[in-house]
Amino acid sequence: EPEVTQTPSHQVTQMGQEVILRCVPISNHLYFYWYRQILGQKVEFLVSFYNNEISEKSEIFDDQFSVERPDGSNFTLKIRSTKLEDSAMYFCASARSGLSGANVLTFGAGSRLTVL
Amino acid sequence: DAKTTQPTSMDCAEGRAANLPCNHSTISGNEYVYWYRQIHSQGPQYIIHGLKNNETNEMASLIITEDRKSSTLILPHATLRDTAVYYCIVRVGAAGNKLTFGGGTRVLVKP
Repeated sequence: EPEVTQTPSHQVTQMGQEVILRCVPISNHLYFYWYRQILGQKVEFLVSFYNNEISEKSEIFDDQFSVERPDGSNFTLKIRSTKLEDSAMYFCASARSGLSGANVLTFGAGSRLTVL
Repeated sequence: DAKTTQPTSMDCAEGRAANLPCNHSTISGNEYVYWYRQIHSQGPQYIIHGLKNNETNEMASLIITEDRKSSTLILPHATLRDTAVYYCIVRVGAAGNKLTFGGGTRVLVKP
């Protein structure tokens, strides 16, 4: 069964450093998403991406965050200058276009980011 | 801004059916009901979705009331591996729309 692949599975970084989290969505999917989950809290939407541009973003997705689809297969989330509160599990998801209601999101296993 | 209400937690016995309720009294005509689950900090996993008819797949059944104000997810024979947080989400089914997760129901399947 096709799956969304995320790397790294765990990254530890120092506060103020830049981090790039990578995702390989399912190959025929056209809609891409990033979510995060702080330990013990809800899964929170960050951003959605379609046709090489951001479709929607949440208040969390401020100027420190950016997304890119650099080569037609990868979808990346960059955090420019990490803060302690960025420590979380980050999930990538993708979805096909098409039929209303059938736009099911498939999630990756996540990348755990620890900021020291 | 929660559109759904679910019990915080519930237990069920291994091998028995697990019935997970969800209230969505303000659901709009073009909103679908989706169910996802999250097993111990893994990525959310899609289970099933429906608009107004009952649905069944290899994982579960979804029963939606006629007025669409509530639904029940049924896991027909719960196993220990079904222990997870289950999320009921209402969402317009248009392509590209995000999912908004609430607190979900923490289900513990006991031997």
